[in-house]
Amino acid sequence: QITLKESGPSLVKPTQTLTLTCTFSGFSLNTSGVGVGWIRQPPGKALEWLALIYWDDDKRYSPSLNSRLTITKDTSKNQVVLTMTNMDPVDTATYYCAPRGVITGTHAFDIWGQGTMVTVSS
Amino acid sequence: QSALTQPASVSGSPGQSITISCTGTSSDVGSYSLVSWYQQHPGKAPKLMISEVSKRPSGVSNRFSGSKSGNTASLTISGLQAEDEADYYCCSYAGSSTPFVFGTGTKVTVL
Repeated sequence: QITLKESGPSLVKPTQTLTLTCTFSGFSLNTSGVGVGWIRQPPGKALEWLALIYWDDDKRYSPSLNSRLTITKDTSKNQVVLTMTNMDPVDTATYYCAPRGVITGTHAFDIWGQGTMVTVSS
Repeated sequence: QSALTQPASVSGSPGQSITISCTGTSSDVGSYSLVSWYQQHPGKAPKLMISEVSKRPSGVSNRFSGSKSGNTASLTISGLQAEDEADYYCCSYAGSSTPFVFGTGTKVTVL
């Protein structure tokens, strides 16, 4: 059974750096082809892909947020960490993590965490 | 990379079929058969319904089907049921630098 859980602060101040952790079980990020991504959704708005890290440590970032994002993995802990710098109120959103291709073997986010709501406010 | 374009809302009566379009460009939908669709009920996490244009994951009803023509992908829900009322998002591969781009989302209402 695959599970994922996002964790991190629920409130951050403008200009601060956000650090979110995705802790997962039921699959390995050492498996060829597997990736874990982060996606966010502002209240009442659409999903937005943020970042993806592959089993071989290759990393991809949203072009619009590239300068603010860093994604890393710790395979021994089954965790993926996303940092986002210079937070702004427009970054208020629910942040999800999801693996790519672990169940279907396809280029899609097979299963999603429950999400964690982050509010940016002073 | 701009978001893929979806209609804001689509509605239908129980038992009917509806189709949601997802329009991209020759740089994403038009170039790759890597379109996925997600269903999201209010307050819940998204759920994968279709991957790689038309593949249905295990456990997803066969009332859901996907297709693609040119720069536009489509999700069809046949035999519409009350439980299908939700938001739906398409997503496409847009090259190795941008492996995922989501659509603007469509609210499906069952009349």
